[in-house]
Amino acid sequence: AQKVTQTQTSISVMEKTTVTMDCVYETQDSSYFLFWYKQTASGEIVFLIRQDSYKKENATVGHYSLNFQKPKSSIGLIITATQIEDSAVYFCAMREGNYNQGKLIFGQGTKLSIKP
Amino acid sequence: EAAVTQSPRNKVAVTGGKVTLSCNQTNNHNNMYWYRQDTGHGLRLIHYSYGAGSTEKGDIPDGYKASRPSQENFSLILELATPSQTSVYFCASGDAVEQYFGPGTRLTVL
Repeated sequence: AQKVTQTQTSISVMEKTTVTMDCVYETQDSSYFLFWYKQTASGEIVFLIRQDSYKKENATVGHYSLNFQKPKSSIGLIITATQIEDSAVYFCAMREGNYNQGKLIFGQGTKLSIKP
Repeated sequence: EAAVTQSPRNKVAVTGGKVTLSCNQTNNHNNMYWYRQDTGHGLRLIHYSYGAGSTEKGDIPDGYKASRPSQENFSLILELATPSQTSVYFCASGDAVEQYFGPGTRLTVL
């Protein structure tokens, strides 16, 4: 069965530094997709970045990048040059390779606080 | 021009009452989803749909029904609401890979 685990409940870092959030997953599929979403204080859930399991290159979007370690079933989110507005809850999610379904399994979330 | 909207945004219901949560999307996505969010659990899938007329059970479907009358609309129905269904509910629409979420509905069952 699929499972996504985020062990860091909360993280606090200084503004303009780099932070890494951890996520490990379990799946029997050889093809899957990994996502990171951000939930702001208002409750809005926003898609950030995606990693396809068959791609060796780590995905990068703006100041978000991923550390995909397939042998360890790990997909870490790296935020560089953090800003106050990066304060939010970050969710890791996985989708197995059945293109017809698109079911996402979410981790429990990591609350990130950026201090000025 | 929000692509996924939900109504109502807040709802207070009584135990045993019927509750309908509505979702509308303008993304023209075939797939739509209903999740609930509770502290410590992240987002959990209740029901989903591949297109108009179809509904499928997600991971926690008990106590919920779903209806997809059109490409744009997807409803979540609580026939007999219970206090354990107090939660925040999110609707999402998606293509083959990505999902886009609505703003959420806060439901309180007294």
